[in-house]
Amino acid sequence: DGGITQSPKYLFRKEGQNVTLSCEQNLNHDAMYWYRQDPGQGLRLIYYSQIVNDFQKGDIAEGYSVSREKKESFPLTVTSAQKNPTAFYLCASSISDYSNQPQHFGDGTRLSIL
Amino acid sequence: AQSVTQPDIHITVSEGASLELRCNYSYGATPYLFWYVQSPGQGLQLLLKYFSGDTLVQGIKGFEAEFKRSQSSFNLRKPSVHWSDAAEYFCAVARVKGSGDKLTFGTGTRLAVRP
Repeated sequence: DGGITQSPKYLFRKEGQNVTLSCEQNLNHDAMYWYRQDPGQGLRLIYYSQIVNDFQKGDIAEGYSVSREKKESFPLTVTSAQKNPTAFYLCASSISDYSNQPQHFGDGTRLSIL
Repeated sequence: AQSVTQPDIHITVSEGASLELRCNYSYGATPYLFWYVQSPGQGLQLLLKYFSGDTLVQGIKGFEAEFKRSQSSFNLRKPSVHWSDAAEYFCAVARVKGSGDKLTFGTGTRLAVRP
């Protein structure tokens, strides 16, 4: 079955450490997204990619970085510059980045600070 | 910029009772509208969407939503709630612009179902 796979499900970060969250999709979608979810705040867009080798900052990109070297993969790195990284991170994809295209979501990665 | 308000943070209903979750948006024209559901520890699943045409849209799992332009609302309804409907529900809007635009999510409504 096609879908989005996020790994790991749980991740712990030490102070000053960069960590990378994996997102892989086999839906042949062009657009991919990273969201951060905090209790009571809904989903906030971190980065999105409309096509391979291109990506754009979302609303809360500071302290994060991404790459899009392959259509199927859109990894997110949480850098040490992100001072409050504890959150639930969701990856999504859509056929294209046209606003009427529904997004398909992975099951998320929960990141915590050690 | 568009915005979405879900006024109810938590709602509890009895199993078998009807349900209505509220969603209001702010945008200068009719946007694209979506409802998603999230079970604990999982991602979001699309319930239904509205683009144009009939203002009452049917979705999966027996849900429906009605677009009311005059009230800038897109409320989600279900005639009879099942225990498995307990989850968090998100309303989302996108501008009718085309490429490169983004979804804006509400803060969610957590639904509990009383046996």
